[in-house]
Amino acid sequence: QSALTQPASVSGSPGQSITLSCTRTNIDGDYNLFSWYQQHPGSAPKLLIFEGSQRPSGISDRFSASQSKYAASLTISGLQAEDEADYFCSVYVGSSASVAFGGGTRLTVL
Amino acid sequence: EVQLVESGGGLVQPGGSLRLSCVASGFTFSKNEMTWVRQAPGKGLQWVSTISGGGGTTYYADSVKDRFTIVRDNSNSILYLEMRSLRGEDTAFYFCAKDMGRRGYNFDYWGQGTLVTVSS
Repeated sequence: QSALTQPASVSGSPGQSITLSCTRTNIDGDYNLFSWYQQHPGSAPKLLIFEGSQRPSGISDRFSASQSKYAASLTISGLQAEDEADYFCSVYVGSSASVAFGGGTRLTVL
Repeated sequence: EVQLVESGGGLVQPGGSLRLSCVASGFTFSKNEMTWVRQAPGKGLQWVSTISGGGGTTYYADSVKDRFTIVRDNSNSILYLEMRSLRGEDTAFYFCAKDMGRRGYNFDYWGQGTLVTVSS
């Protein structure tokens, strides 16, 4: 079973850049395709990044991401108050055609 | 505009059953895999189940296998999650989500969620 580890919380000031990490443990499956979601309190998650670094249409280019085989990172540049939210990484597990989610990182904008 | 609207949540006793529905609109429903993801209050996301566009292939998390059944009605653009033998740990918001059709699973649209509470 794949597991994804994220720091529980991070914080930054408006205008700063901040990077969130996501580390995969337990090699399982052939795919290593990370996605990132943003979730504001009381709302559904929103897809920010797919296939490791691709942004869906409508997502600000302030959000960028990269990945290696066993880890992924999401960078938010020009931090804004509206970026305060929970961020979840996920990875497709090919061997079981399932998805593993990280525990989420709460981003606080100071 | 893509819309996903869940319903069917509520309070159910342990061991009980419930059926969730997700009405989809704004896209060709049969062309996309659909997924249920749940989130216990204040907790993280957990993948529950995915169904292929035609409905013939299904996948389940180990924690719900043999208790939950994912079904879709492509004629009416409705996704279902039939849940039985419910346990306290199944208490969560249940979201239906549309896959965007790229490599892996990427959920580009989500419903607002429906709350299932399993308690006596």
